Amino acid sequence: AAGVIQSPRHLIKEKRETATLKCYPIPRHDTVYWYQQGPGQDPQFLISFYEKMQSDKGSIPDRFSAQQFSDYHSELNMSSLELGDSALYFCASSFYSGSSYEQYFGPGTRLTVT
Amino acid sequence: DAKTTQPTSMDCAEGRAANLPCNHSTISGNEYVYWYRQIHSQGPQYIIHGLKNNETNEMASLIITEDRKSSTLILPHATLRDTAVYYCIVRVRGGTDKLIFGTGTRLQVFP
Repeated sequence: AAGVIQSPRHLIKEKRETATLKCYPIPRHDTVYWYQQGPGQDPQFLISFYEKMQSDKGSIPDRFSAQQFSDYHSELNMSSLELGDSALYFCASSFYSGSSYEQYFGPGTRLTVT
Repeated sequence: DAKTTQPTSMDCAEGRAANLPCNHSTISGNEYVYWYRQIHSQGPQYIIHGLKNNETNEMASLIITEDRKSSTLILPHATLRDTAVYYCIVRVRGGTDKLIFGTGTRLQVFP
Protein backbone atom coordinates (compact mmCIF):
# COMPACT_ATOMS: atom_id res chain seq x y z
CA ALA A 1 0.00 0.00 0.00
CA ALA A 2 1.11 3.54 -0.70
CA GLY A 3 2.63 5.38 2.22
CA VAL A 4 3.44 8.96 3.11
CA ILE A 5 6.46 10.21 1.21
CA GLN A 6 8.82 12.80 2.59
CA SER A 7 11.70 14.48 0.86
CA PRO A 8 14.50 14.94 1.31
CA ARG A 9 15.27 12.21 3.84
CA HIS A 10 18.37 14.00 5.06
CA LEU A 11 19.26 17.67 4.90
CA ILE A 12 22.26 19.56 6.16
CA LYS A 13 22.09 23.34 6.40
CA GLU A 14 24.10 26.06 8.02
CA LYS A 15 22.81 28.57 10.54
CA ARG A 16 20.71 31.34 9.08
CA GLU A 17 20.00 29.34 5.90
CA THR A 18 16.55 28.27 4.76
CA ALA A 19 15.14 24.79 4.25
CA THR A 20 12.07 23.37 2.57
CA LEU A 21 10.67 19.99 3.53
CA LYS A 22 8.10 18.26 1.37
CA CYS A 23 5.36 15.79 2.22
CA TYR A 24 3.22 13.73 -0.13
CA PRO A 25 0.26 12.20 1.71
CA ILE A 26 -1.32 8.85 1.07
CA PRO A 27 -3.63 9.10 -1.98
CA ARG A 28 -7.11 10.35 -1.05
CA HIS A 29 -5.91 11.62 2.32
CA ASP A 30 -7.00 15.22 2.74
CA THR A 31 -5.32 16.17 6.02
CA VAL A 32 -1.63 16.67 6.65
CA TYR A 33 0.19 17.11 9.95
CA TRP A 34 3.75 18.15 10.72
CA TYR A 35 5.63 17.02 13.84
CA GLN A 36 9.10 17.84 15.12
CA GLN A 37 11.17 15.43 17.19
CA GLY A 38 14.33 16.74 18.76
CA PRO A 39 17.13 14.41 19.92
CA GLY A 40 15.90 12.22 22.78
CA GLN A 41 12.49 13.89 22.77
CA ASP A 42 8.96 12.84 21.87
CA PRO A 43 7.30 14.10 18.69
CA GLN A 44 5.75 17.56 19.05
CA PHE A 45 2.94 18.83 16.86
CA LEU A 46 3.73 21.83 14.69
CA ILE A 47 0.85 22.48 12.30
CA SER A 48 -1.88 20.78 10.30
CA PHE A 49 -3.92 21.39 7.16
CA TYR A 50 -7.28 20.16 5.99
CA GLU A 51 -8.37 20.78 2.44
CA LYS A 52 -5.54 23.28 1.96
CA MET A 53 -6.58 25.38 4.95
CA GLN A 54 -4.66 25.51 8.21
CA SER A 55 -6.66 23.52 10.75
CA ASP A 56 -4.50 23.67 13.86
CA LYS A 57 -1.26 25.18 15.03
CA GLY A 58 1.11 24.04 17.74
CA SER A 59 4.42 25.38 18.98
CA ILE A 60 5.69 26.30 15.55
CA PRO A 61 8.24 29.13 15.46
CA ASP A 62 7.37 32.25 13.50
CA ARG A 63 10.40 31.47 11.31
CA PHE A 64 8.54 28.43 10.03
CA SER A 65 5.65 28.46 7.60
CA ALA A 66 3.76 25.74 5.82
CA GLN A 67 1.07 25.23 3.28
CA GLN A 68 -0.91 22.53 1.56
CA PHE A 69 -1.27 22.62 -2.19
CA SER A 70 -4.11 21.70 -4.55
CA ASP A 71 -2.70 18.19 -4.98
CA TYR A 72 -2.69 17.87 -1.16
CA HIS A 73 1.05 17.73 -0.81
CA SER A 74 2.49 20.02 1.83
CA GLU A 75 5.68 21.96 2.32
CA LEU A 76 7.28 23.16 5.53
CA ASN A 77 9.46 26.21 4.99
CA MET A 78 12.04 27.03 7.62
CA SER A 79 14.04 30.25 7.57
CA SER A 80 16.88 31.70 9.64
CA LEU A 81 17.77 28.22 10.78
CA GLU A 82 19.16 27.79 14.26
CA LEU A 83 21.17 24.95 15.77
CA GLY A 84 18.13 24.01 17.84
CA ASP A 85 16.14 23.30 14.69
CA SER A 86 18.18 20.13 14.19
CA ALA A 87 15.59 17.39 14.51
CA LEU A 88 13.54 14.76 12.78
CA TYR A 89 10.54 16.23 11.02
CA PHE A 90 7.65 13.89 10.44
CA CYS A 91 4.67 14.39 8.22
CA ALA A 92 1.49 12.41 8.76
CA SER A 93 -1.72 12.19 6.79
CA SER A 94 -5.26 11.11 7.46
CA PHE A 95 -8.57 10.93 5.65
CA TYR A 96 -10.90 13.25 7.57
CA SER A 97 -13.81 12.73 5.24
CA GLY A 98 -13.72 8.95 5.44
CA SER A 99 -14.37 6.34 8.05
CA SER A 100 -10.78 6.02 9.20
CA TYR A 101 -9.17 8.92 11.00
CA GLU A 102 -5.89 7.36 12.02
CA GLN A 103 -2.77 9.29 11.21
CA TYR A 104 -0.15 7.57 9.09
CA PHE A 105 3.39 8.85 9.36
CA GLY A 106 6.12 9.21 6.80
CA PRO A 107 9.74 8.14 7.38
CA GLY A 108 10.78 11.64 8.38
CA THR A 109 13.35 14.18 7.25
CA ARG A 110 16.45 14.48 9.39
CA LEU A 111 17.55 18.10 9.43
CA THR A 112 20.99 18.94 10.72
CA VAL A 113 21.90 22.58 11.21
CA THR A 114 25.61 23.32 11.57
CA ASP B 1 -7.09 15.88 25.48
CA ALA B 2 -6.84 13.77 28.60
CA LYS B 3 -3.45 13.18 30.14
CA THR B 4 -2.09 9.65 30.12
CA THR B 5 0.42 7.95 32.40
CA GLN B 6 2.62 5.08 31.29
CA PRO B 7 5.60 3.29 32.81
CA THR B 8 8.87 4.62 31.48
CA SER B 9 10.23 1.25 30.44
CA MET B 10 9.43 -2.46 30.35
CA ASP B 11 11.20 -5.65 29.36
CA CYS B 12 9.70 -8.71 27.71
CA ALA B 13 11.12 -12.05 26.64
CA GLU B 14 10.78 -12.91 22.99
CA GLY B 15 7.73 -15.08 22.35
CA ARG B 16 5.98 -13.99 25.52
CA ALA B 17 3.06 -11.60 25.76
CA ALA B 18 3.91 -7.96 26.37
CA ASN B 19 1.30 -6.12 28.44
CA LEU B 20 1.67 -2.34 28.36
CA PRO B 21 -0.53 -0.42 30.80
CA CYS B 22 -1.85 3.11 30.47
CA ASN B 23 -3.79 5.25 32.94
CA HIS B 24 -6.18 7.88 31.64
CA SER B 25 -8.36 8.64 34.64
CA THR B 26 -9.69 11.95 33.24
CA ILE B 27 -10.84 10.56 29.91
CA SER B 28 -14.07 12.05 28.57
CA GLY B 29 -17.00 10.09 27.22
CA ASN B 30 -16.26 10.91 23.60
CA GLU B 31 -12.52 10.29 23.76
CA TYR B 32 -10.89 7.23 22.30
CA VAL B 33 -7.74 5.47 23.43
CA TYR B 34 -5.13 5.24 20.68
CA TRP B 35 -1.85 3.38 20.66
CA TYR B 36 1.09 4.23 18.45
CA ARG B 37 4.63 2.99 18.53
CA GLN B 38 7.91 4.36 17.29
CA ILE B 39 10.71 2.04 16.34
CA HIS B 40 14.02 3.84 16.64
CA SER B 41 13.93 7.10 14.62
CA GLN B 42 11.20 5.79 12.30
CA GLY B 43 7.85 7.50 11.88
CA PRO B 44 5.31 6.60 14.57
CA GLN B 45 3.11 3.69 13.59
CA TYR B 46 -0.59 3.35 14.37
CA ILE B 47 -1.38 0.16 16.27
CA ILE B 48 -4.96 0.14 17.50
CA HIS B 49 -7.67 2.25 19.07
CA GLY B 50 -10.83 1.73 21.08
CA LEU B 51 -13.65 3.50 22.87
CA LYS B 52 -14.95 1.13 25.51
CA ASN B 53 -15.02 -2.36 24.07
CA ASN B 54 -11.96 -4.55 23.82
CA GLU B 55 -10.41 -4.49 20.36
CA THR B 56 -8.12 -6.83 18.47
CA ASN B 57 -6.35 -6.58 15.17
CA GLU B 58 -3.44 -8.29 13.50
CA MET B 59 -0.93 -6.37 15.57
CA ALA B 60 -2.32 -6.27 19.07
CA SER B 61 -5.24 -6.38 21.48
CA LEU B 62 -6.55 -3.47 23.50
CA ILE B 63 -8.25 -4.06 26.81
CA ILE B 64 -10.13 -1.08 28.29
CA THR B 65 -11.46 -1.24 31.83
CA GLU B 66 -15.18 -0.85 32.37
CA ASP B 67 -14.75 2.61 33.92
CA ARG B 68 -12.44 3.52 31.00
CA LYS B 69 -9.84 4.97 33.35
CA SER B 70 -7.12 2.62 32.21
CA SER B 71 -6.22 0.30 29.37
CA THR B 72 -3.68 -2.35 28.43
CA LEU B 73 -2.09 -2.95 25.08
CA ILE B 74 -1.22 -6.60 24.57
CA LEU B 75 1.31 -7.86 22.06
CA PRO B 76 0.53 -11.58 22.24
CA HIS B 77 3.87 -12.96 21.05
CA ALA B 78 6.52 -10.28 21.25
CA THR B 79 9.41 -10.39 18.81
CA LEU B 80 12.66 -8.48 18.73
CA ARG B 81 11.13 -6.22 16.07
CA ASP B 82 8.55 -5.06 18.63
CA THR B 83 11.26 -3.22 20.55
CA ALA B 84 10.04 0.37 20.40
CA VAL B 85 8.55 3.27 22.34
CA TYR B 86 4.81 2.75 22.77
CA TYR B 87 2.56 5.78 23.15
CA CYS B 88 -0.92 5.74 24.65
CA ILE B 89 -2.88 8.77 23.43
CA VAL B 90 -6.40 9.83 24.32
CA ARG B 91 -8.27 11.97 21.83
CA VAL B 92 -11.59 12.57 20.20
CA ARG B 93 -11.90 10.44 17.10
CA GLY B 94 -12.30 12.13 13.82
CA GLY B 95 -11.70 15.68 12.81
CA THR B 96 -8.24 17.02 12.37
CA ASP B 97 -7.09 16.66 15.97
CA LYS B 98 -3.37 16.52 16.48
CA LEU B 99 -1.68 13.71 18.37
CA ILE B 100 -0.17 14.73 21.69
CA PHE B 101 2.69 12.38 22.48
CA GLY B 102 3.56 11.87 26.13
CA THR B 103 6.65 10.13 27.39
CA GLY B 104 5.57 6.65 26.31
CA THR B 105 6.86 3.25 27.40
CA ARG B 106 10.14 2.01 26.04
CA LEU B 107 9.63 -1.73 25.49
CA GLN B 108 12.75 -3.84 25.19
CA VAL B 109 12.20 -7.36 23.88
CA PHE B 110 15.13 -9.66 24.67
CA PRO B 111 16.04 -13.07 23.22
